[in-house]
Amino acid sequence: AQSVTQLDSHVSVSEGTPVLLRCNYSSSYSPSLFWYVQHPNKGLQLLLKYTSAATLVKGINGFEAEFKKSETSFHLTKPSAHMSDAAEYFCVVILARKLIFGQGTELSVKP
Amino acid sequence: NAGVTQTPKFQVLKTGQSMTLQCAQDMNHNSMYWYRQDPGMGLRLIYYSASEGTTDKGEVPNGYNVSRLNKREFSLRLESAAPSQTSVYFCASTGRDSGELFFGEGSRLTVL
Repeated sequence: AQSVTQLDSHVSVSEGTPVLLRCNYSSSYSPSLFWYVQHPNKGLQLLLKYTSAATLVKGINGFEAEFKKSETSFHLTKPSAHMSDAAEYFCVVILARKLIFGQGTELSVKP
Repeated sequence: NAGVTQTPKFQVLKTGQSMTLQCAQDMNHNSMYWYRQDPGMGLRLIYYSASEGTTDKGEVPNGYNVSRLNKREFSLRLESAAPSQTSVYFCASTGRDSGELFFGEGSRLTVL
């Protein structure tokens, strides 16, 4: 079976400092993985996706994620946080053609 | 460019009442989904429809029914609402077997 675990329910950073949101998955084969972002009172928007073409995936708004099979991880990073990055972030894995969501990580950005 | 449209955005029900959440997409997508979002639990799949005329249960289908009326529309019905169904509901669609989901802005349902 596949599942996805986001290791932090809440992350707080200062504006201009790096962001790291952690995600681990369990799968018996190479999965398709996604990161989505949800701003307050909005639907979810795709940030980036991994589908086995390249292990380092670049997304929108300066975010990127690295697929590490040996660690079964797909952590999301950004070199410098912006106030507009404050939102909830979801790591997602595909299971039997259905998307399974992690529990979410709320990112706060302090001035 | 509407994308995925859900109605209503807010609804308050009493226990035992029924209601239908409507969803429509204008992107000619084959697959449509209904999720519920609860604090600390991420999004959980209620039902999905891989194509017009087909529907399948997701993780948490109990208490819900769905109808894929045509390619554009996918409705979610609560026949007898319960307080445990208080949640934010999201409709989504995708045009490929796997890939980007496009989401509506959500419907916030409160059952008293």
